[in-house]
Amino acid sequence: AQKITQTQPGMFVQEKEAVTLDCTYDTSDPSYGLFWYKQPSSGEMIFLIYQGSYDQQNATEGRYSLNFQKARKSANLVISASQLGDSAMYFCAMREGERNTGFQKLVFGTGTRLLVSP
Amino acid sequence: NAGVTQTPKFRVLKTGQSMTLLCAQDMNHEYMYWYRQDPGMGLRLIHYSVGEGTTAKGEVPDGYNVSRLKKQNFLLGLESAAPSQTSVYFCASGPVGGAYEQYFGPGTRLTVT
Repeated sequence: AQKITQTQPGMFVQEKEAVTLDCTYDTSDPSYGLFWYKQPSSGEMIFLIYQGSYDQQNATEGRYSLNFQKARKSANLVISASQLGDSAMYFCAMREGERNTGFQKLVFGTGTRLLVSP
Repeated sequence: NAGVTQTPKFRVLKTGQSMTLLCAQDMNHEYMYWYRQDPGMGLRLIHYSVGEGTTAKGEVPDGYNVSRLKKQNFLLGLESAAPSQTSVYFCASGPVGGAYEQYFGPGTRLTVT
């Protein structure tokens, strides 16, 4: 079963507009974390934002905010005032613990490609 | 601080050849990871290590071996490369527990013909 689902293979937005990238997750672990990473065309993985399952408030980092709706198991990334440099692949990931070892690992979604146009 | 570095950046192998990918980190992280990224599939965990001298299998370990002889280095080996191992390989490191962000290397693009 897919643990992290990103249903939007591609999104388009005009410069200076806001955009929401969807992410839903599936876990029975009460303690988990949700991450968003950006992968530009150069290939590196850039950490953007983190939300813990017990955090009461939505995480924000500059123009990035995470719309965390625990009951719906969604963790959407909102980018305000899009810039041309935001064009990239965006991955949602969930930290979960392995049942036998307790090791915390990241499970990634398949990504959403965002294209920002002038 | 170089962060996480990977060697080489690109490599082309013929089926059956072997090679080792080197990952090095200078952040004194306990945890290190190897992922592969294939089109449309996101990143998948190959192997990981929770400390010097320890390794464990991830989601897609077949055809790969790893070693962590020094805390700062994590090696990924392909003993007999296959075309199915054509991928982009990422190394990452993180603090104990892996609870927070992982720091990724720049990736190695491997093509097996």
